[in-house]
Amino acid sequence: KAGVTQTPRYLIKTRGQQVTLSCSPISGHRSVSWYQQTPGQGLQFLFEYFSETQRNKGNFPGRFSGRQFSNSRSEMNVSTLELGDSALYLCASNPYGSSYNEQFFGPGTRLTVL
Amino acid sequence: DAKTTQPNSMESNEEEPVHLPCNHSTISGTDYIHWYRQLPSQGPEYVIHGLTSNVNNRMASLAIAEDRKSSTLILHRATLRDAAVYYCILPSGNTGKLIFGQGTTLQVKP
Repeated sequence: KAGVTQTPRYLIKTRGQQVTLSCSPISGHRSVSWYQQTPGQGLQFLFEYFSETQRNKGNFPGRFSGRQFSNSRSEMNVSTLELGDSALYLCASNPYGSSYNEQFFGPGTRLTVL
Repeated sequence: DAKTTQPNSMESNEEEPVHLPCNHSTISGTDYIHWYRQLPSQGPEYVIHGLTSNVNNRMASLAIAEDRKSSTLILHRATLRDAAVYYCILPSGNTGKLIFGQGTTLQVKP
């Protein structure tokens, strides 16, 4: 079974631009979560989607948004990029979105904002 | 999610057992105890999880205190590839959300 894939793996943008990151979960998994990892703040939860609905949201500004498609693939979008948005963005998938199940993480997208 | 407390760092010698502690005194009766680890330049990976009983899998063992207020991840024979940040997490409810703390950075010396 293929793992969680994220595209692109690396991205360089400038302040003020917007960016869209993509995550393909493991086949059959209905829950996709997104995380931001920075050296200063560590791993922080952004949001979770389950069956195309946002089920949980972390403490991030409205510039961060996401969506999930009927095939469970998910995208996250960051508008009006700031220097502080430079980070590793990770997505994770879970079969049922339950705390009983393990999360499977992708390799991440490294975003650099100049 | 209930809060967890872990030591910032630990050291181990290669091929020796490693016991990584985690305190979670505010755990509720339905909280599972999950462990993940993150190797350098990789996304986190699942290690093990349990509810009440001790658990074993090919990667590690999880020992859970009788009162569930603490747990210990046991790596039976540490290898250099086990050098990583280990996170103890108590996700709650019907959700895929994980709240990561600072974790324990494990250094394995040859």
